[in-house]
Amino acid sequence: EAQVTQNPRYLITVTGKKLTVTCSQNMNHEYMSWYRQDPGLGLRQIYYSMNVEVTDKGDVPEGYKVSRKEKRNFPLILESPSPNQTSLYFCATLPDGNSNQPQHFGDGTRLSIL
Amino acid sequence: AQSVTQLDSHVSVSEGTPVLLRCNYSSSYSPSLFWYVQHPNKGLQLLLKYTSAATLVKGINGFEAEFKKSETSFHLTKPSAHMSDAAEYFCVVSALYNFNKFYFGSGTKLNVKP
Repeated sequence: EAQVTQNPRYLITVTGKKLTVTCSQNMNHEYMSWYRQDPGLGLRQIYYSMNVEVTDKGDVPEGYKVSRKEKRNFPLILESPSPNQTSLYFCATLPDGNSNQPQHFGDGTRLSIL
Repeated sequence: AQSVTQLDSHVSVSEGTPVLLRCNYSSSYSPSLFWYVQHPNKGLQLLLKYTSAATLVKGINGFEAEFKKSETSFHLTKPSAHMSDAAEYFCVVSALYNFNKFYFGSGTKLNVKP
């Protein structure tokens, strides 16, 4: 079954404590992306990756890092989380960078930064 | 530049009555347009997409949308609402020339009354 798997699904943590949200896909997709969803704002792109070792900033990259060392994984790293990063996060994939294709989404990770 | 405006943040209908969720877009180039649905605690699921073929697009679960270039609209409709349609709906635009970017509307929450 084609899947985009995010872990953890829920996390409550404190300001400044580094955390990583993992995203893994089994579809051999080249393109992976991270979004955050906030009420009334829809989804906003944080970072994306066109392929292994190729990453680029989205619209709201401040406070986040990503890496793409292998095709199937695209972790999101918060080096020093702050309360304004409390949000619902989604990982999404595409077969390639062709925007005609619909994205495949994970089930989301809800982060609470106290 | 691309942008999406979902004109209603909340829509409430009675079961069995028609659904209309409105979306207007702005795009400098030929857009691709998508509607996604998000059920509580779930990721986004594709309902339908428009990619410069037929202007009336049929999707899953009886939904359809019509691309109207003159009105820059891509409204989502369904003839008869079902209780299971209660969810949040997102309109998304991307542009062929900028295949890395997807722009999400702020979402419309659909409530279906018995």
